[in-house]
Amino acid sequence: DAGVTQSPTHLIKTRGQQVTLRCSPKSGHDTVSWYQQALGQGPQFIFQYYEEEERQRGNFPDRFSGHQFPNYSSELNVNALLLGDSALYLCASSIPGSGGYTFGSGTRLTVV
Amino acid sequence: QQQVKQSPQSLIVQKGGISIINCAYENTAFDYFPWYQQFPGKGPALLIAIRPDVSEKKEGRFTISFNKSAKQFSLHIMDSQPGDSATYFCAASPRGAAGNKLTFGGGTRVLVKP
Repeated sequence: DAGVTQSPTHLIKTRGQQVTLRCSPKSGHDTVSWYQQALGQGPQFIFQYYEEEERQRGNFPDRFSGHQFPNYSSELNVNALLLGDSALYLCASSIPGSGGYTFGSGTRLTVV
Repeated sequence: QQQVKQSPQSLIVQKGGISIINCAYENTAFDYFPWYQQFPGKGPALLIAIRPDVSEKKEGRFTISFNKSAKQFSLHIMDSQPGDSATYFCAASPRGAAGNKLTFGGGTRVLVKP
């Protein structure tokens, strides 16, 4: 049973560019959440998607946007990249009320 | 705003010893308290979780102790093994579905020496 799959695993972008990260949730999971993990810190909640709608959002600017598709997969888009956006971006899937998330291995984004 | 404070930032323990990590929270709406283990290059993996209606939960060598009045909870790793060397995160989420957003602590890097 495949877990959460994220692509790409690593990415290098230039300041000001735009990036799209992708996530396929664990089989049977319909809720996808995105987290940003800076080096040496705990993950920070970006937003959560359920039924193709953004249900919750953390303290991140509008440059961060997302989408969920009918097959529950999701994308995270970041516009006008800043050096401070360099981080590990984690996707996590869950079933509401199930008792926890399953995280993917993340996408390491480096902004130069 | 750090709503979940975790300590220590790092600890070294001998094989067979006990690792203890502590967390404190402020938001009384938190209702679900998981611990995650993260290895380099990997995402966090759920280790064990507790809800505030119990004071302790044990799964194998891992035990969560929960003190609702003090708004503190801790992870004890008994008989620590070199394979336990990883970063551990406490987290909390608000009342309601466990799929609610998680607020993580800053993490504790644990090194178990053989």
